Amino acid sequence: QQPVQSPQAVILREGEDAVINCSSSKALYSVHWYRQKHGEAPVFLMILLKGGEQKGHEKISASFNEKKQQSSLYLTASQLSYSGTYFCGTPWKAAGNKLTFGGGTRVLVKP
Amino acid sequence: EAEVAQSPRYKITEKSQAVAFWCDPISGHATLYWYRQILGQGPELLVQFQDESVVDDSQLPKDRFSAERLKGVDSTLKIQPAELGDSAMYLCASSLGGTSGRQHEQFFGPGTRLTVL
Repeated sequence: QQPVQSPQAVILREGEDAVINCSSSKALYSVHWYRQKHGEAPVFLMILLKGGEQKGHEKISASFNEKKQQSSLYLTASQLSYSGTYFCGTPWKAAGNKLTFGGGTRVLVKP
Repeated sequence: EAEVAQSPRYKITEKSQAVAFWCDPISGHATLYWYRQILGQGPELLVQFQDESVVDDSQLPKDRFSAERLKGVDSTLKIQPAELGDSAMYLCASSLGGTSGRQHEQFFGPGTRLTVL
């Protein structure tokens, strides 16, 4: 069963912040975040491997709450280059690397 | 910087024809994945290889799709016969493999966009 992402889409002005959520109905062992620009392949952003872990990539950070079976991606002081579709992926089992991806969140950053 | 290579980038075919996609993973990556991505959706795993062995093909429509990675390096995904519903982006990804940490990071190729007429 695929994780659920919200919101489905968000429009920002440059410099604004946004939060993307990824939640699962089953236990989360880790969460992978990817960004895909239009017509391009997904690009890895970060992996969160244990509960409470927070990671950062540029001014993009993420948190992982095992108990809530949820991860959140934070876009801080957004830049035009942040535009794209963000996907979270979760493995089927603790030591597995087979990912199920969420439906994606489309982000558009305007000048 | 090492990249995953895929060809062709675009393929237009008529239904009932056979198509094949090729993927060359990053050197040294033991795990190779084929995904299908329908426009507006997340990638869906079709098949996963560990070296030359299939470790998961539960989502692969085996009546028409086949995949191989004979020498544990590059891989081919075939569809025969193609159907209208197969139109999608086919992505190949690779990772180091293993069971923890950054070994799980998947590197995606540019994909093959398939249009079935």
